[in-house]
Amino acid sequence: GQNIDQPTEMTATEGAIVQINCTYQTSGFNGLFWYQQHAGEAPTFLSYNVLDGLEEKGRFSSFLSRSKGYSYLLLKELQMKDSASYLCAFYTNAGKSTFGDGTTLTVKP
Amino acid sequence: ETGVTQSPTHLIKTRGQQVTLRCSSQSGHNTVSWYQQALGQGPQFIFQYYREEENGRGNFPPRFSGLQFPNYSSELNVNALELDDSALYLCASSLEFGSGGDTQYFGPGTRLTVL
Repeated sequence: GQNIDQPTEMTATEGAIVQINCTYQTSGFNGLFWYQQHAGEAPTFLSYNVLDGLEEKGRFSSFLSRSKGYSYLLLKELQMKDSASYLCAFYTNAGKSTFGDGTTLTVKP
Repeated sequence: ETGVTQSPTHLIKTRGQQVTLRCSSQSGHNTVSWYQQALGQGPQFIFQYYREEENGRGNFPPRFSGLQFPNYSSELNVNALELDDSALYLCASSLEFGSGGDTQYFGPGTRLTVL
């Protein structure tokens, strides 16, 4: 079957670094996405990994290990506006997608 | 702004009724996906349309159906509404999803409440 897990909540301090982990199980894996979702808003795209390794985009980086079914999102130099839910999602060759329930990140001063 | 719009923003229906939600994708985006997001949960994949054909479906009953039109608009239809259908319904469009790496752009969603 298909399964995806990520922590429910995390708290970090402004200016710090935080790593949000995501583990998944699926067949026909086609890629893993990370989205940011502020309360009451739609998800917005952050990153995409299809091959193993680290993808860096400014303050945000995402890592993928396909053999371990593992990904993480790394947020550096945290800002108050980074307080949001972070969703990981994998996509399969069959055109289906599965989202985790999201990790609610609270950034404190 | 993602260029993806949805209507209506909010909707209240009663159990047993039917509802049609609408989405307008970015011009040129051939793929649209629909998701149901309950409060505190991640989006659940309903189905995906590519060039007006359904090409992927999640674990939703047949009373959830859709249409995609040549003008980059699409519809989600839900028959025989149940209380558990109350959720945020999101559509997301992309150029040619499935080719690897194509970004999905989400609309703002339609909040459906079933009483």
